[in-house]
Amino acid sequence: SQTIHQWPATLVQPVGSPLSLECTVEGTSNPNLYWYRQAAGRGLQLLFYSVGIGQISSEVPQNLSASRPQDRQFILSSKKLLLSDSGFYLCAWSKPGPSNQPQHFGDGTRLSIL
Amino acid sequence: AQSVTQLDSQVPVFEEAPVELRCNYSSSVSVYLFWYVQYPNQGLQLLLKYLSGSTLVKGINGFEAEFNKSQTSFHLRKPSVHISDTAEYFCAVSLSGGSYIPTFGRGTSLIVHP
Repeated sequence: SQTIHQWPATLVQPVGSPLSLECTVEGTSNPNLYWYRQAAGRGLQLLFYSVGIGQISSEVPQNLSASRPQDRQFILSSKKLLLSDSGFYLCAWSKPGPSNQPQHFGDGTRLSIL
Repeated sequence: AQSVTQLDSQVPVFEEAPVELRCNYSSSVSVYLFWYVQYPNQGLQLLLKYLSGSTLVKGINGFEAEFNKSQTSFHLRKPSVHISDTAEYFCAVSLSGGSYIPTFGRGTSLIVHP
């Protein structure tokens, strides 16, 4: 069966520090991968998605970036965090192909910027 | 482009009472519809999905939803809720033959009181 791992579960970082969140998927090949942010009391905001190694599409311009160095690895990064980067970050995957495939989510990373 | 409206941001209900969480979508083409549940500090989990066929879809944890094409709705129901159903519920839609990236509603917080 497929599993998705996301870490760390919680992170407290000072303003201006770098960020690296990692997500890996097991048990499937060539998944579509996604990063979402969920601010307190709000819905999901799609940040990045990827259909293959090295292929990243950005939905929202910001100081975050994403990379996919391996087929089942998706990394969210920042060189300098802002207070507004606080939130709950979720990684998700779906099978490639038609739009009837549901998404499968990791347990999220709670990021607090001080 | 498609859109999703979850009409209620919060739904309080007493334990063992029935509940309906409303979801309406906007699309000029055929759609696929999903409901997800998010427990506190966790990722989203697929509850059920409508792809085609019977308009009444049964999911996990005793939930069901009915696709109504004429009213462009996909309301989620449960005949008797438990305290453990307290969570955030998200409706999502993707277009048949369109982008594999779904559009999510803003979520409905179901609060079950004893």
